[in-house]
Amino acid sequence: AQKVTQAQTEISVVEKEDVTLDCVYETRDTTYYLFWYKQPPSGELVFLIRRNSFDEQNEISGRYSWNFQKSTSSFNFTITASQVVDSAVYFCALSEEGNTGNQFYFGTGTSLTVIP
Amino acid sequence: ETGVTQSPTHLIKTRGQQVTLRCSSQSGHNTVSWYQQALGQGPQFIFQYYREEENGRGNFPPRFSGLQFPNYSSELNVNALELDDSALYLCASSLGWDSLASFGPGTRLTVT
Repeated sequence: AQKVTQAQTEISVVEKEDVTLDCVYETRDTTYYLFWYKQPPSGELVFLIRRNSFDEQNEISGRYSWNFQKSTSSFNFTITASQVVDSAVYFCALSEEGNTGNQFYFGTGTSLTVIP
Repeated sequence: ETGVTQSPTHLIKTRGQQVTLRCSSQSGHNTVSWYQQALGQGPQFIFQYYREEENGRGNFPPRFSGLQFPNYSSELNVNALELDDSALYLCASSLGWDSLASFGPGTRLTVT
């Protein structure tokens, strides 16, 4: 079973539209971390946010916002007023302390295209 | 502050050969993680080193091995290369396993 599921493979929106990228995770740990990364065509992963499992406060950073809900094991990412520069692949990731050491899991990514 | 660097940028190897990839951590970071990213896929966790000790490993065979040096730089070694090993190999450094990781630009390995 996938530890991190990003059901949306590709999304296209017109510039200035809002878009939400979904992420569902699975873990039995009580302490874990969730991340979102952006991977532009250049290939380098860019960190966007990290949340620990004890902090369910939603966060807003400029046009970006994140909705963490433990009850549904979801950590969704919303871009408000999308711009062409937001076009990239976005990955949701989970880290946890496994029985045999730390483990990290990435989703399969959502490719976002913002059309001018 | 110097970011994470990786070498080489690109590499072409033949099936059965061995390869060593290198990673220099961001200044002040003591933890290094390696990932394999096949085309169109998400990164897959290979292993993590903290202060020269392996402290986490993903579902990769033993022919994937690594080292971390006293200066916290790291190497990823892959023996008996297979065609499916062709991928982008990403290194990430952090201060502790649960901290924000900075990723390097990656090494693109092609196995023919």
